[in-house]
Amino acid sequence: QKEVEQDPGPLSVPEGAIVSLNCTYSNSAFQYFMWYRQYSRKGPELLMYTYSSGNKEDGRFTAQVDKSSKYISLFIRDSQPSDSATYLCAMSASGGSNYKLTFGKGTLLTVNP
Amino acid sequence: GAGVSQSPRYKVAKRGQDVALRCDPISGHVSLFWYQQALGQGPEFLTYFQNEAQLDKSGLPSDRFFAERPEGSVSTLKIQRTQQEDSAVYLCASNKDGRLTASGNTIYFGEGSWLTVV
Repeated sequence: QKEVEQDPGPLSVPEGAIVSLNCTYSNSAFQYFMWYRQYSRKGPELLMYTYSSGNKEDGRFTAQVDKSSKYISLFIRDSQPSDSATYLCAMSASGGSNYKLTFGKGTLLTVNP
Repeated sequence: GAGVSQSPRYKVAKRGQDVALRCDPISGHVSLFWYQQALGQGPEFLTYFQNEAQLDKSGLPSDRFFAERPEGSVSTLKIQRTQQEDSAVYLCASNKDGRLTASGNTIYFGEGSWLTVV
């Protein structure tokens, strides 16, 4: 079993829909949680960064972390065709090697106009 | 520079050939990382530099993989005697000082070097 599990999709939604993406993890030492967006043939771009548990909102994006369930989510409101990309969750443990990110496989999202 | 720059963007190598992939991090960024992303997978950590010191090379898959950052800025990832399983995107990333913090310390990725071994 991988440390971070993410449903690869693909996920296809109509424009304006609310999108829910999620990851589960097994390493209880993970304290830093990130969501990256990766367009085709591009590098990952940081969308959301959360430390420990809780919610964080930035425009149309909301990130949630539930450490008790080892479950993180990203919600996209009013989805746009420009949101079509692969979304990667990433995590890091506290301590000396917290620079090392562990990624999920990524979920491919298509938003249809 | 404005972002992390990688070259070449695309490389086709014959099996057994040596390749060198270059990364130019964001100016002033102390920390530099290499990740490997196979098709349909998330990136996997290869190695970490702080300035010119390679502090972690635990993710390098074999002794055919070698990375250096001799002057603490540009880095090169070298793969000797390439094999088909080395085909992947090699992502370079940098940030100010490596450690993540509660308030954030963004790691910026380049667009990757796409390696195909035939």
